[in-house]
Amino acid sequence: KAGVTQTPRYLIKTRGQQVTLSCSPISGHRSVSWYQQTPGQGLQFLFEYFSETQRNKGNFPGRFSGRQFSNSRSEMNVSTLELGDSALYLCASSLLVGGQPQHFGDGTRLSIL
Amino acid sequence: AQTVTQSQPEMSVQEAETVTLSCTYDTSESDYYLFWYKQPPSRQMILVIRQEAYKQQNATENRFSVNFQKAAKSFSLKISDSQLGDAAMYFCAYRRVNTDKLIFGTGTRLQVFP
Repeated sequence: KAGVTQTPRYLIKTRGQQVTLSCSPISGHRSVSWYQQTPGQGLQFLFEYFSETQRNKGNFPGRFSGRQFSNSRSEMNVSTLELGDSALYLCASSLLVGGQPQHFGDGTRLSIL
Repeated sequence: AQTVTQSQPEMSVQEAETVTLSCTYDTSESDYYLFWYKQPPSRQMILVIRQEAYKQQNATENRFSVNFQKAAKSFSLKISDSQLGDAAMYFCAYRRVNTDKLIFGTGTRLQVFP
């Protein structure tokens, strides 16, 4: 069974651009959540989706948005990129919300120049 | 708001020895989950062990066990017979029921020496 797949693995952007990151959950998993990991702030929760509905949102500016499709794949978008958005973005999936532990992907390393 | 605190930024242990990583948390909930995740340099977050708050019995997974003290809001991880492959960042995490939102601690970097 394939794990959580995040694409791309690495991404380099410049300030002011926008970026879209993709997450394909484990087959059958319907819950997807996103986290931002930085050396200064650690691991911070971004979003939680289940059946195409956003259930929770972390304390991030409106430049950060996401969505989930009917096949449970999820995307997150960051507009007007800032230097501080440089981070490892991790996606996790689980079968149902609040049930079994989440399985994480390898992350997307986003660097802003 | 719930918080998770890991007070040991770095720990080291000799191969085959035992090490304990500390974690405390704050919550007003009575039912919740606690986790330890391992993140090696390959950066994938790997679940080590989980504990349901309503269970008094401490969780164990092979060489990994926890000491869950609900009243003290403490959740430490014991690694027995440490191996070189255990070297990684270890994160303690809290999750309320009916959500997948994890609240992480700042992590403890574990070094294992031969």
